[in-house]
Amino acid sequence: NAGVTQTPKFRVLKTGQSMTLLCAQDMNHEYMYWYRQDPGMGLRLIHYSVGEGTTAKGEVPDGYNVSRLKKQNFLLGLESAAPSQTSVYFCASNDRGIDEQYFGPGTRLTVT
Amino acid sequence: RKEVEQDPGPFNVPEGATVAFNCTYSNSASQSFFWYRQDCRKEPKLLMSVYSSGNEDGRFTAQLNRASQYISLLIRDSKLSDSATYLCVVILNTGGFKTIFGAGTRLFVKA
Repeated sequence: NAGVTQTPKFRVLKTGQSMTLLCAQDMNHEYMYWYRQDPGMGLRLIHYSVGEGTTAKGEVPDGYNVSRLKKQNFLLGLESAAPSQTSVYFCASNDRGIDEQYFGPGTRLTVT
Repeated sequence: RKEVEQDPGPFNVPEGATVAFNCTYSNSASQSFFWYRQDCRKEPKLLMSVYSSGNEDGRFTAQLNRASQYISLLIRDSKLSDSATYLCVVILNTGGFKTIFGAGTRLFVKA
């Protein structure tokens, strides 16, 4: 099993550009999450999903959109990137919201 | 006040030392507790779950004190490979589940 995978691993965007980050998991988990991690601030939840076709806002959702059309995939979109979105983005999943979360390797995004 | 607070460190200890980390949480609806480990530029990975009765895994011991709302992690006989950031994680049950990560405590183990 690959676990949780993320693409791309690195990306540099110019302000105003758009992009989509893909997260895929092969563990048949119901719950999936998108976090961003900035120095000294820990992980902050952007959006999450409790099952195929569902999405919900987390702590810092502004500027991001998500979709969960298939159970195994969770997409994070940036419609108009801003320098404040420079961060490391982690995707995670678990089968029940109360369980251990399994993380992907992260995407390092720089917006210039 | 942050919902989950950790001493950011860094903790600098020699090999073989015993080191303890504490984490406090503010919401009494907290239901599940974990310690994760994160290596530099890597993803967080579960180190251990934390139970009210306490639990031990080799050199690592985790304790939960619900009355005082804190959890702890004790590492005995520190190894160079223990150098990492340790994240305290609390899951609230408030109708739905909410996972809160502490900002992490950095540990450097030196030869």
